[in-house]
Amino acid sequence: NAGVTQTPKFRVLKTGQSMTLLCAQDMNHEYMYWYRQDPGMGLRLIHYSVGEGTTAKGEVPDGYNVSRLKKQNFLLGLESAAPSQTSVYFCASSYVAGGPTDTQYFGPGTRLTVL
Amino acid sequence: GIQVEQSPPDLILQEGANSTLRCNFSDSVNNLQWFHQNPWGQLINLFYIPSGTKQNGRLSATTVATERYSLLYISSSQTTDSGVYFCAVRPNTGNQFYFGTGTSLTVIP
Repeated sequence: NAGVTQTPKFRVLKTGQSMTLLCAQDMNHEYMYWYRQDPGMGLRLIHYSVGEGTTAKGEVPDGYNVSRLKKQNFLLGLESAAPSQTSVYFCASSYVAGGPTDTQYFGPGTRLTVL
Repeated sequence: GIQVEQSPPDLILQEGANSTLRCNFSDSVNNLQWFHQNPWGQLINLFYIPSGTKQNGRLSATTVATERYSLLYISSSQTTDSGVYFCAVRPNTGNQFYFGTGTSLTVIP
């Protein structure tokens, strides 16, 4: 099992450019999450999904969009990148809500720089 | 939203020493997890512990849900324990997780 994978690992964008980050998991998890991590801060939830075809806003959703067309994939889009979106982005997944299976597994992260 | 505070923010230990990390949260939760972020950035789940006590080798954790705090104990620390330790909670209402700002641990040989 590869677990949770993220593509790409690094990316540099110019202000106003767009891009999509891909998260894939092979653990048949229902829940998937996108977080951003900024220096000296914990992780903040951007968007999440509780199943195929569903998405919901997290703590810091502005400037991002997401889609979950397939259960194993969760895409994070930036339509018009801004320097404030320079961050490390982590994807996570978990089986179901509630109980010991409600444990998040994280991908390796994507380091994004917006110039 | 719920407030999650971790202490201390930074900790430097000699190899072999013990330590206690604390996580306070401001509302009732149905999920609490401890994570270790290693120096390469990878986040590893240590414990799922919304209440009670668990042990895994040199690490153990205790959550007192009624008093809204959790403790992570590291015994006989090793240099490989270095990194940042995060707690994350999910309030009883909603599906979102909230992370604390972490405790940065450095273990020196």
